[in-house]
Amino acid sequence: EVLLVESGGGLVRPGGSLRLSCVASGFTFSDYSMNWVRQAPGKGLEWVSSISRPGTSIMFYADSVRGRFSISRDNAKNSLYLQMTSLRAGDTAVYYCARGTDELATDDAFDLWGPGTMVTVSS
Amino acid sequence: SYVVTQPPSVSVAPGETATLTCGGYGIGGKRVHWYRQKPGQAPVLVMYNDRDRPSGIPERFSGSNSGNSATLSISRVEAGDEAAYYCQVWHVSGDHGPKVFGTGTQVTVL
Repeated sequence: EVLLVESGGGLVRPGGSLRLSCVASGFTFSDYSMNWVRQAPGKGLEWVSSISRPGTSIMFYADSVRGRFSISRDNAKNSLYLQMTSLRAGDTAVYYCARGTDELATDDAFDLWGPGTMVTVSS
Repeated sequence: SYVVTQPPSVSVAPGETATLTCGGYGIGGKRVHWYRQKPGQAPVLVMYNDRDRPSGIPERFSGSNSGNSATLSISRVEAGDEAAYYCQVWHVSGDHGPKVFGTGTQVTVL
């Protein structure tokens, strides 16, 4: 079965850090670009970050997280990561990992999503 | 920043056609993708590259895009189509522009 499963969410204080993980199964992870998308409670979808397939080393970020969040991948472990630092209340959301349809992570759709992991930033 | 606008809600009777719009300056020159999200669930891709349906999405779903508006049409609407629908584009800005989601449309089946 083709799956993405996120983990690592939780409650963190403002200014704190958290690392999210996403494990892929059922497909060749290294053939695809990957993305993080978040959704604040009761709100719409917001793209966070993208990383291209291995070998092209393209990573890019939404303005709202650039400089605070870092995306990475470990193809040997079929895993995608999001390192989040300097967290703010506005980062509170469900974070989804999503597979991209373009290997360079540009101009693509997200054709497979995980169930999401909740991140709550609060004192 | 590039803004993509969707009407907050659309109501449609069963068996009728729901027409969802996605507006943005020059959006006809971009590839538009559409997602369906039911409460408590992750989004699901229902249309990509303006008019292509992923496997498993019924032919009742169709898409178009020109000028400043893209459209997702759902014909012969069923109760199971009730959900929030989001459009998404890639806006080229600098080396790698952002991926922008629309504000979302809640489809209610009467």
